[in-house]
Amino acid sequence: GAVVSQHPSWVICKSGTSVKIECRSLDFQATTMFWYRQFPKQSLMLMATSNEGSKATYEQGVEKDKFLINHASLTLSTLTVTSAHPEDSSFYICSAHSRDNGRFEQFFGPGTRLTVL
Amino acid sequence: AQKVTQAQTEISVVEKEDVTLDCVYETRDTTYYLFWYKQPPSGELVFLIRRNSFDEQNEISGRYSWNFQKSTSSFNFTITASQVVDSAVYFCALSGDNQGGKLIFGQGTELSVKP
Repeated sequence: GAVVSQHPSWVICKSGTSVKIECRSLDFQATTMFWYRQFPKQSLMLMATSNEGSKATYEQGVEKDKFLINHASLTLSTLTVTSAHPEDSSFYICSAHSRDNGRFEQFFGPGTRLTVL
Repeated sequence: AQKVTQAQTEISVVEKEDVTLDCVYETRDTTYYLFWYKQPPSGELVFLIRRNSFDEQNEISGRYSWNFQKSTSSFNFTITASQVVDSAVYFCALSGDNQGGKLIFGQGTELSVKP
């Protein structure tokens, strides 16, 4: 199966700093990448949909100015948490999606655990 | 609107017992995909199965089996002869064909298999 990587796998930062998380599809070109957030003991909630070369589409309640998404190529999307606060501490997971010959494929990265002190 | 409901928050069984995890979904899309994922304590999602809405055949993979019932909008997951290594959180998810690949996840069921 396809591999999606995320970097870093975990990060601890001070309140007020910005953190960038990278999501790469290693062996296929993803038409779309998704960013999910998971708080402890909760489900995964979609934050935004990212298409290469266009602006990300954010889900209701997700601040686009706080969670900056850049999708520079078909294999790389980045999520930057700006001015992070302790309430942003969460598990962030990306997924890469492709629709090839009508076949639906979606692969998840291993996740990034963010802790904001 | 799309929705996935996993009514069982936590299940605890003893090793070798069979266990069924329930999943009920709602969607207006005529074509959609249903998924099950396993999330061990490490956090990484492990893909278990994807089912197309036009394929109602039940599937068996080793100790795992899935029962897709379109009439009741359910996609239940059964683990036969459970093992301690099956302990994890299991998520059911839905993606409608008109949703651009977005997955809507259920709340998850935490399965604890005791020796």
